[in-house]
Amino acid sequence: GAGVSQTPSNKVTEKGKYVELRCDPISGHTALYWYRQSLGQGPEFLIYFQGTGAADDSGLPNDRFFAVRPEGSVSTLKIQRTERGDSAVYLCASSRDGGYNEQFFGPGTRLTVL
Amino acid sequence: DQQVKQNSPSLSVQEGRISILNCDYTNSMFDYFLWYKKYPAEGPTFLISISSIKDKNEDGRFTVFLNKSAKHLSLHIVPSQPGDSAVYFCAARRNSGYALNFGKGTSLLVTP
Repeated sequence: GAGVSQTPSNKVTEKGKYVELRCDPISGHTALYWYRQSLGQGPEFLIYFQGTGAADDSGLPNDRFFAVRPEGSVSTLKIQRTERGDSAVYLCASSRDGGYNEQFFGPGTRLTVL
Repeated sequence: DQQVKQNSPSLSVQEGRISILNCDYTNSMFDYFLWYKKYPAEGPTFLISISSIKDKNEDGRFTVFLNKSAKHLSLHIVPSQPGDSAVYFCAARRNSGYALNFGKGTSLLVTP
């Protein structure tokens, strides 16, 4: 079956621009997570959705970052007024539900802010 | 504040030998630990996990050991194969939490 997909695979933008990154989770998975992996680091948690609602957004670095999941499936991570420090690989994961179920990761979107 | 630490950025092992990857953690609230494997341009793939109520979990060539008193876990791969060459991430989760806390990863190279 299809895994987690993310689009675009690469995004290059200029400082100050707005970007949207999309995640399509595995069908039927109610839990969805966003992580950010900077160069030389492990993935860092950003936000967790259970269904349509953000159950935990404690990892979002500031108010320029926002994520939605309006129908409980596809999610979009939105970054306003991008900064060079936002350059990273943004990973999305989904799981059957929360708790101890395995998180399946997508291939990520590599964001480069010039 | 890095709560999960992988102090070896890289490891090289000969094919057929044992690979041992180490991980330390600082948060005593962590009760579930996982290892993920990552190839270039792909997302991390789940490999094996262990609950804090156990000290060992085995799956084929992969075994994870947990020493709670030392806040240390290790992944053993026996025998190592060239296809095991990848970056391995240790991750941990707090009880009743959802987010995974990852280490920085260890790049394993298995040479023929």
